[in-house]
Amino acid sequence: SQTIHQWPATLVQPVGSPLSLECTVEGTSNPNLYWYRQAAGRGLQLLFYSVGIGQISSEVPQNLSASRPQDRQFILSSKKLLLSDSGFYLCAWSVRDVLAGGTSSYNEQFFGPGTRLTVL
Amino acid sequence: AQSVSQHNHHVILSEAASLELGCNYSYGGTVNLFWYVQYPGQHLQLLLKYFSGDPLVKGIKGFEAEFIKSKFSFNLRKPSVQWSDTAEYFCAVNARRDYKLSFGAGTTVTVRA
Repeated sequence: SQTIHQWPATLVQPVGSPLSLECTVEGTSNPNLYWYRQAAGRGLQLLFYSVGIGQISSEVPQNLSASRPQDRQFILSSKKLLLSDSGFYLCAWSVRDVLAGGTSSYNEQFFGPGTRLTVL
Repeated sequence: AQSVSQHNHHVILSEAASLELGCNYSYGGTVNLFWYVQYPGQHLQLLLKYFSGDPLVKGIKGFEAEFIKSKFSFNLRKPSVQWSDTAEYFCAVNARRDYKLSFGAGTTVTVRA
């Protein structure tokens, strides 16, 4: 069965420090990968998605970046954190249907446990 | 782009009461519809989904949802809630073959014993 891991679970960082959050998926190949930020009362906001190694699409302009150095590894980074970067970050994966042009017709997404980031 | 609205921010009810959470979306094309649940301290997990066919779908833990295309709605229901249903519930929509899954703001459900 497939599993998705995120670490660290919680992180407290000072303003201006760098950030690296990691997400890995097991039990599947060639997944689509996603980074979301969850804010209280605002649902989940898609930050980045990736359909393959080195392929990153950004949904919103911000202080963050993403990379996918391996097929089942997705990293969220920042060079200098801002207070507004605090939040709960979720990684997700979905099946990539190559014949359908890169995404499954249904795009059911599976979520990791999340990382609680506090920037002070 | 599609948007999703959930009608209630916080719902409080007693055990054995019935639950209905509203969800409306704005998109004119073919959509996939989901309800996710996040229990305290746990992963966001899929409760149920609708892709096509019977508009009344049944999910885990006795939940069901009805897709009404003419109303652009996908309301979640449970006839009799339990204390363990205390959680945050999210409605989500994506256009068929789209990468982006759009979420509602979520509804916190508190069930009192």
